[in-house]
Amino acid sequence: AQKVTQAQTEISVVEKEDVTLDCVYETRDTTYYLFWYKQPPSGELVFLIRRNSFDEQNEISGRYSWNFQKSTSSFNFTITASQVVDSAVYFCALSEANGGFKTIFGAGTRLFVKA
Amino acid sequence: GAVVSQHPSRVICKSGTSVKIECRSLDFQATTMFWYRQFPKQSLMLMATSNEGSKATYEQGVEKDKFLINHASLTLSTLTVTSAHPEDSSFYICSAGSRRDTQYFGPGTRLTVL
Repeated sequence: AQKVTQAQTEISVVEKEDVTLDCVYETRDTTYYLFWYKQPPSGELVFLIRRNSFDEQNEISGRYSWNFQKSTSSFNFTITASQVVDSAVYFCALSEANGGFKTIFGAGTRLFVKA
Repeated sequence: GAVVSQHPSRVICKSGTSVKIECRSLDFQATTMFWYRQFPKQSLMLMATSNEGSKATYEQGVEKDKFLINHASLTLSTLTVTSAHPEDSSFYICSAGSRRDTQYFGPGTRLTVL
């Protein structure tokens, strides 16, 4: 069965600090996708990244970076030099080919960035 | 980019009434759409998979007679909450994709049942 664990419920940082959001997943499928979404107070999900199970390359996009390690089943997300606008709930998610690509979400991590 | 819309964005209804929420894919055809529910300060929980031209597949614990899903065309899926009660108040989000491995999420519908 697929499962996504985000152990950090809430994180509070001061602006310009770096912050890493952890994500650990469980799957028996060999073909799967991992995602990160941002959910601001408006509620609309903002897609950040998708990574497939065959691509373990880390990725950097501006202040955002992602570390995918299959050996530890982790897909961590780092925000460098955080800003107040980064305050939101961040969800890690998993979809499996054998599961019909249903997306299963982690519990989410609420990030507070203080000025 | 691909766009998925939902209507209405907000709805308030009285207990016992039924509410219909629409999910549309605006620039692509979607044979499969997914419906999620999110209670305040909780994660998104998958409710059901909506399949064009056939019955929806519901997740365990979701009452199919209460949450009616119709996917009558390749661009529209509807979720009807029948005989809504205050405990059904939630944020309902759909997702759709021209390919099952690529899903785009709608902006969500906030349902409040008085």
